[in-house]
Amino acid sequence: DQQVKQNSPSLSVQEGRISILNCDYTNSMFDYFLWYKKYPAEGPTFLISISSIKDKNEDGRFTVFLNKSAKHLSLHIVPSQPGDSAVYFCASGSNDYKLSFGAGTTVTVRA
Amino acid sequence: NAGVMQNPRHLVRRRGQEARLRCSPMKGHSHVYWYRQLPEEGLKFMVYLQKENIIDESGMPKERFSAEFPKEGPSILRIQQVVRGDSAAYFCASSPGGTRPGYTFGSGTRLTVV
Repeated sequence: DQQVKQNSPSLSVQEGRISILNCDYTNSMFDYFLWYKKYPAEGPTFLISISSIKDKNEDGRFTVFLNKSAKHLSLHIVPSQPGDSAVYFCASGSNDYKLSFGAGTTVTVRA
Repeated sequence: NAGVMQNPRHLVRRRGQEARLRCSPMKGHSHVYWYRQLPEEGLKFMVYLQKENIIDESGMPKERFSAEFPKEGPSILRIQQVVRGDSAAYFCASSPGGTRPGYTFGSGTRLTVV
């Protein structure tokens, strides 16, 4: 069963503009949420996280928003840069070790 | 300060053979996690190990798959009698403990069963 869903398999954005990636989850026990970035032939790299006691977390150009009532989170990248072209995975967990991942969104930043 | 090291990067096995995937965690990390990514899907949790202990193997297929993390040496994910459906990318991650803020993944082993 797919507990974490990323409904947009791809996103194309112009350099300098905002990228918005969305993620929905079904398990109300999830209390920790992460975004990973992955380049081809490499492993996922941790990007940013948020716990359920917050609704926003910011780190440089990356901001994650959490809407618990809607079981929805989003990642905003502002401004988008060519090096941001990658696959982005949303992941969620309810304990200290097991994560459920979405299928990923491929972001392409156009010059 | 090497990251999580996985080898081999690519592994080709014929149906019925055994596949052994190795993972050396980051220095100072004693927790190892294995995930599998099938084509067009996200990563799926397989197993969580600490030194000499399997903590949670709820994501492991019931047959043919096993994992270990011995006192000395790398963690090993073993797949016996491989079938075509085992073809996937297998990622190992490590942490000093817990996922918060997020554990470190290796580059993966891409297993192809022919």
